[in-house]
Amino acid sequence: GAVVSQHPSWVICKSGTSVKIECRSLDFQATTMFWYRQFPKQSLMLMATSNEGSKATYEQGVEKDKFLINHASLTLSTLTVTSAHPEDSSFYICSAKETFNSPLHFGNGTRLTVT
Amino acid sequence: KQEVTQIPAALSVPEGENLVLNCSFTDSAIYNLQWFRQDPGKGLTSLLLIQSSQREQTSGRLNASLDKSSGRSTLYIAASQPGDSATYLCAVADRGSTLGRLYFGRGTQLTVWP
Repeated sequence: GAVVSQHPSWVICKSGTSVKIECRSLDFQATTMFWYRQFPKQSLMLMATSNEGSKATYEQGVEKDKFLINHASLTLSTLTVTSAHPEDSSFYICSAKETFNSPLHFGNGTRLTVT
Repeated sequence: KQEVTQIPAALSVPEGENLVLNCSFTDSAIYNLQWFRQDPGKGLTSLLLIQSSQREQTSGRLNASLDKSSGRSTLYIAASQPGDSATYLCAVADRGSTLGRLYFGRGTQLTVWP
């Protein structure tokens, strides 16, 4: 089945530093990738949608200068949390789909802790 | 804006029981509905995908139904096992957005005890 690999699975960083999270589709080409954020016991909140070769579309309230998304190829999207602060600590999950109406496949998530 | 609600929020049952998880959504203009399983601290595993033209999908002990007109879906789990313990999320792909984005419910936390 379709596999989405997300790396790293967890990261601890100091306040003010930047962190990059990678999301790869291993056995299919992902025309669209989504980035979600999840707080404890809450559902997933969509942060942004990225299409290969074009700028990401951010949800209302998500700072595009803080959460930089790059979808440079059909198999890789990256999320960079710039100048991280403790309130950015969360569980970030990426997902990918091959075509518009395909099932959505998720990575295993990245637990970010900012100290 | 699409809103997805899942009932119950939590469910605890003994092993062997058949159970039903409910999902409702406010806008029936959807492309599809997908059920996921999430284990603690992990990503999501896709269980079943129902296209808007379909009424149900089955995979092993799982059966999901979709009534688009009433905005409801149910996930039926037969002969539950402790390994089924997880949070179950439903999500709809909204037809109102050209991106086919998903709207998630908050999930049902299922515990199956031996």
